[in-house]
Formats: sequence, C-alpha cells, structure tokens
Amino acid sequence: GAVVSQHPSWVICKSGTSVKIECRSLDFQATTMFWYRQFPKQSLMLMATSNEGSKATYEQGVEKDKFLINHASLTLSTLTVTSAHPEDSSFYICSARADSGQVAYNSPLHFGNGTRLTVT
Amino acid sequence: QQQVKQSPQSLIVQKGGISIINCAYENTAFDYFPWYQQFPGKGPALLIAIRPDVSEKKEGRFTISFNKSAKQFSLHIMDSQPGDSATYFCAASKVYGQNFVFGPGTRLSVLP
Repeated sequence: GAVVSQHPSWVICKSGTSVKIECRSLDFQATTMFWYRQFPKQSLMLMATSNEGSKATYEQGVEKDKFLINHASLTLSTLTVTSAHPEDSSFYICSARADSGQVAYNSPLHFGNGTRLTVT
Repeated sequence: QQQVKQSPQSLIVQKGGISIINCAYENTAFDYFPWYQQFPGKGPALLIAIRPDVSEKKEGRFTISFNKSAKQFSLHIMDSQPGDSATYFCAASKVYGQNFVFGPGTRLSVLP
C-alpha cells in the first residue's frame, strides 16, 4: 500500500531556531501534498497545500514566512518552521494523494506518522 | 457549507458491543467519504471509504452506512475490541478535489 514517511517523528528546539520536517511518498508520486497541524484532542487543521514545482497554497491565517514549504520533487515536500516559538509547539502531519493517470477519480489520502514539535 | 459535523465527541463501549459514529455534511458536491482511525502520537490511517452511489459498504467489522438524501453517513464497528480504542475522523471531498474536509473527531474507548 501507499506509504508516506515523515521525519523526524519528534523534535525539541530552542526558541528562535528553525526546524525542517520532511514528508516523503515512498512508493508513489504525489504532485500535491498537504500539511496539517493538530492540537491535543482536536481535529486536523489544514495549513497549506504543497504543489510540486510551484508555490504552496496557504490557508487563511497561516503565515507564509513562518511556515516555509518546498516541494522540490514528486516524492518530497518539506515544511520549515522558522524562528520557532513555544506557541508553535504542536503535532504536524503531512499527507499525500497518489497521482493517477485519470484525474477524475478520488484516491485515498495517505498520512505520515506526524512530527511532535516542542519549542522550549 | 464546507463543514462536516461529527457526533458523538466521545464514546465508551463495552467489548463486543457496537460502536456507532455519525457524520453529516452540507455540500452536495462532496462525493467521497472516508473514515480515518488515529492512535495517539500517530498519523491518521484510512479505515474505510464510500462513494454516494452505494448505501452501504462493509469491510470486516467496519461498515459505512450512507444516506444521500439526508446527507449523512455513519461508521459502525461491530464486536468492538479494546484495540479499536482510538480517535475516528470522518471526512469528505469533492470530485476532482484535492483536499479533504475533516470532522472534529470521536474518541472511542472500548472497555475490556
């Protein structure tokens, strides 16, 4: 089955530093990947849509300069939390959808295992 | 119109019982309805999904019931087991759509 690998699974950093999170589709190509943020006991909040070879699309209220997204290949998207602060501490999850030759049909969204970010 | 409502927020079921989680949507353009299961500290995993051309889909102990006219769908977990204890999210997406709209989640606890 389709596997999405997210790395690291957890990271602790000091306030003011930047953290990069990687999301890889291991056995399929994904033109589009999604980045979510999840607070404890809450649902997934879409932060941005990552598009291979073009700029990411950010949801309202998400700072583009704070959360830098790069989707340089069909299997890799990265999220960089710049100048992290304690309020950025959260569970970040990426997902990807397998590209198919036929655009018409929905295909499952596969999630990575998430990254627990703690900013001290 | 983009929202997906989900209930209950939490659910406690005895081992062997039936767990039922309900979702409702408003946007009739949605045509793909998956359920995801999430364990603590892990990403959501696809459990089962349905399209509106069928009213029910069953996979093992998991069944989705779909009511297109009412714009509602539900997840039934038969013979619930303690290992089923997790948070369940319903979701919806559109034809040709890219993103999913997720419900707020249901925390299921199955007592041994």
